[in-house]
Amino acid sequence: NAGVTQTPKFRILKIGQSMTLQCTQDMNHNYMYWYRQDPGMGLKLIYYSVGAGITDKGEVPNGYNVSRSTTEDFPLRLELAAPSQTSVYFCASSLAGNTEAFFGQGTRLTVV
Amino acid sequence: KNEVEQSPQNLTAQEGEFITINCSYSVGISALHWLQQHPGGGIVSLFMLSSGKKKHGRLIATINIQEKHSSLHITASHPRDSAVYICAVRTSGSRLTFGEGTQLTVNP
Repeated sequence: NAGVTQTPKFRILKIGQSMTLQCTQDMNHNYMYWYRQDPGMGLKLIYYSVGAGITDKGEVPNGYNVSRSTTEDFPLRLELAAPSQTSVYFCASSLAGNTEAFFGQGTRLTVV
Repeated sequence: KNEVEQSPQNLTAQEGEFITINCSYSVGISALHWLQQHPGGGIVSLFMLSSGKKKHGRLIATINIQEKHSSLHITASHPRDSAVYICAVRTSGSRLTFGEGTQLTVNP
């Protein structure tokens, strides 16, 4: 069982470039989340989705976009990358809003 | 002040010691999670609890809802327990608010 799979694991972007972080889960979970983790800080919620076709902003959505066309996939799009987006990004999923969350392995992104 | 505070920030122990990591929160919650993040970066859920106590192997998690406090205990600690331990609380809906984590190092 693969669980939550994120790609890529590492990426270096130049300022102004764009990219998509991929996240897929094979547990048929309704809820999916994107978090960023900065040094010395707790994880911050970027966007989340409660089901296919439904997305909502979290605490730090600026500079990001998401879509949820299928139950399995929840890609995170960075447009016009900025140094402030240098971070480690985690995708997570849960069956419902109040159940255990499963995390991907993370994507370490550096914007230079 | 963060809604979720963990202590200590860093903890070094000798193999075999009993370890306690604390989490205090300032908001009403529906559940509290303890997570483990290994040096490789992956995050694993250890416990989700809303009352009382849970045990899994050498790990024990307790929560006191009235005092807004939770503890994670590790008995007979081992170097492989070295990781960052993260407390997170579920407040409204499906959102989690995370603490900054406790870096645990267990020396042989």
